[in-house]
Amino acid sequence: DAGVTQSPTHLIKTRGQQVTLRCSPKSGHDTVSWYQQALGQGPQFIFQYYEEEERQRGNFPDRFSGHQFPNYSSELNVNALLLGDSALYLCASSSPTGGGDTQYFGPGTRLTVL
Amino acid sequence: KNEVEQSPQNLTAQEGEFITINCSYSVGISALHWLQQHPGGGIVSLFMLSSGKKKHGRLIATINIQEKHSSLHITASHPRDSAVYICAVTSGTYKYIFGTGTRLKVLA
Repeated sequence: DAGVTQSPTHLIKTRGQQVTLRCSPKSGHDTVSWYQQALGQGPQFIFQYYEEEERQRGNFPDRFSGHQFPNYSSELNVNALLLGDSALYLCASSSPTGGGDTQYFGPGTRLTVL
Repeated sequence: KNEVEQSPQNLTAQEGEFITINCSYSVGISALHWLQQHPGGGIVSLFMLSSGKKKHGRLIATINIQEKHSSLHITASHPRDSAVYICAVTSGTYKYIFGTGTRLKVLA
């Protein structure tokens, strides 16, 4: 049973560029959450997708957008990259029917903005 | 003030020592989670608590709902326990609210 997978593992971009990060949830999970973790900090909630809709959003600007596909996989898009967007981006999946409070995390995508 | 506070931020212990990491929160919660993060980023869930105490191997987690406080204990610590330990809460709004983590280093 594959866990949560994310791609790419690492990414280097320059200021102003756009980036797309991808996440495949754990088998049987229908909910995907995205978090941003700056160096030395705890993760911060970006948004959560359920049934292809954004269900809840954290305190992030509109430059951060997402999408969930019918197979429950998800993308995180960041436009007009800033140096401060450099961070580890974590995807987590969960299922309301499987103890919905527990989220399973992927290995993360480390984004560096130069 | 953060909604979830952890202490200490950094902890160095000798192999075999008993370790305690503390977590306090200021919001109503449906559950509290203890997570482990190794270098490289992957996060593993250790415990989910809504009351009382749970034990798994050398790890013990307790929660006091009235005092809004939880502790993670590691007995007979080992260098392989070196990691960042993160406390997070869920408050019925689908998201985790994380503490900043405790960086633990266990020396042989």
